[in-house]
Amino acid sequence: AQKVTQAQTEISVVEKEDVTLDCVYETRDTTYYLFWYKQPPSGELVFLIRRNSFDEQNEISGRYSWNFQKSTSSFNFTITASQVVDSAVYFCALSDYSGGGADGLTFGKGTHLIIQP
Amino acid sequence: DTAVSQTPKYLVTQMGNDKSIKCEQNLGHDTMYWYKQDSKKFLKIMFSYNNKELIINETVPNRFSPKSPDKAHLNLHINSLELGDSAVYFCASSRRGLAGGPGEQFFGPGTRLTVL
Repeated sequence: AQKVTQAQTEISVVEKEDVTLDCVYETRDTTYYLFWYKQPPSGELVFLIRRNSFDEQNEISGRYSWNFQKSTSSFNFTITASQVVDSAVYFCALSDYSGGGADGLTFGKGTHLIIQP
Repeated sequence: DTAVSQTPKYLVTQMGNDKSIKCEQNLGHDTMYWYKQDSKKFLKIMFSYNNKELIINETVPNRFSPKSPDKAHLNLHINSLELGDSAVYFCASSRRGLAGGPGEQFFGPGTRLTVL
């Protein structure tokens, strides 16, 4: 069975600080996909990144960066120089590659990030 | 243009009623999903449809039934509503990623269901 653990329920930092959100996953599949989604207070779910299990390169997108480490089954997300608009609940999610064309996401419980001005 | 839309946005109803939530996507995706987000924000997949065929059916009560009239629509019908059904329901759609496997899922705005 698949499982995603986001141990940090809530993180509060002051604006401009760097913050890392942890994500640890469990799967028996050798091919799988990892995702991060953002849910701001308005409630919609916003896609941030998709990464497959064969690509362990770290990724940077503006102030966002992701560190994928297969050896520790972790896919951590760092926001550099945080801003108040980054305040949201962030979800890490996992999907296997069933080959059937329809793969639901297994979500972690989310980390509520609060950026204080 | 909205990529994935859901109606209604809010639904308040009495226990025991039957209700439906509609979902439409204009992205040309061939896979659609329903997720439930509970009061603690936990998101769990309920169903997925690929080319009008049910692929995943998690341990969801059979009071819940997805219906897909065509590739662009996946509606959720709920019979005999219970208090515990109160949640936010999200519809999503996706297509296969460039290198195979699941692509990005685009989510609708959600439907907040309140059962009194």
